[in-house]
Amino acid sequence: EPEVTQTPSHQVTQMGQEVILRCVPISNHLYFYWYRQILGQKVEFLVSFYNNEISEKSEIFDDQFSVERTDGSTFTLKIRSTKLEDSAMYFCASTLTGTSEETQYFGPGTRLLVL
Amino acid sequence: LAKTTQPISMDSYEGQEVNITCSHNNIATNDYITWYQQFPSQGPRFIIQGYKTKVTNEVASLFIPADRKSSTLSLPRVSLSDTAVYYCLVVRNTGGFKTIFGAGTRLFVKA
Repeated sequence: EPEVTQTPSHQVTQMGQEVILRCVPISNHLYFYWYRQILGQKVEFLVSFYNNEISEKSEIFDDQFSVERTDGSTFTLKIRSTKLEDSAMYFCASTLTGTSEETQYFGPGTRLLVL
Repeated sequence: LAKTTQPISMDSYEGQEVNITCSHNNIATNDYITWYQQFPSQGPRFIIQGYKTKVTNEVASLFIPADRKSSTLSLPRVSLSDTAVYYCLVVRNTGGFKTIFGAGTRLFVKA
């Protein structure tokens, strides 16, 4: 079965540093998403991305965050200046189309720890 | 997006059928109801999706009444490995789409 992959699996960084989380969506998928999950809490939507543009974003996705499709396959989430509260699991997901009856495929996540 | 309400936790024993009900009173015409499963430190995994009536796959069944204001996920004969958090989601196509997860139901299956 095709799968979404994410790297790194774990990342530790110092507060104020920039981090880039990487995702390789399923190859023929066109819509990409980032979510985060703070330990013990629910999964929170961050952003959706299609055709090299942000389609939708949440209040969490402020100017510290950016997304980009690089090298034709990798979808990245950049956090410019990390804060302690950015510590969370970050999940990437993808879909073939953006229709509501379609399944989102999630990656295994990147655990980010900000010290 | 329609808010969903589901029990915080449920306990069951191996071999039993488990039914988790979710209410979504403000569901809109174009919304679909989707259930995901999440194990600790893993990404959510799709279980089943439906629009109305009943849907069944190899893993679960989903019952949706005519008014679509609630849905019930049915897991037949659960095993210890079904211990996980189960999320009921109402998914809307916003040209993108935006998926809102609720708190989920923590199912604990005991031997």
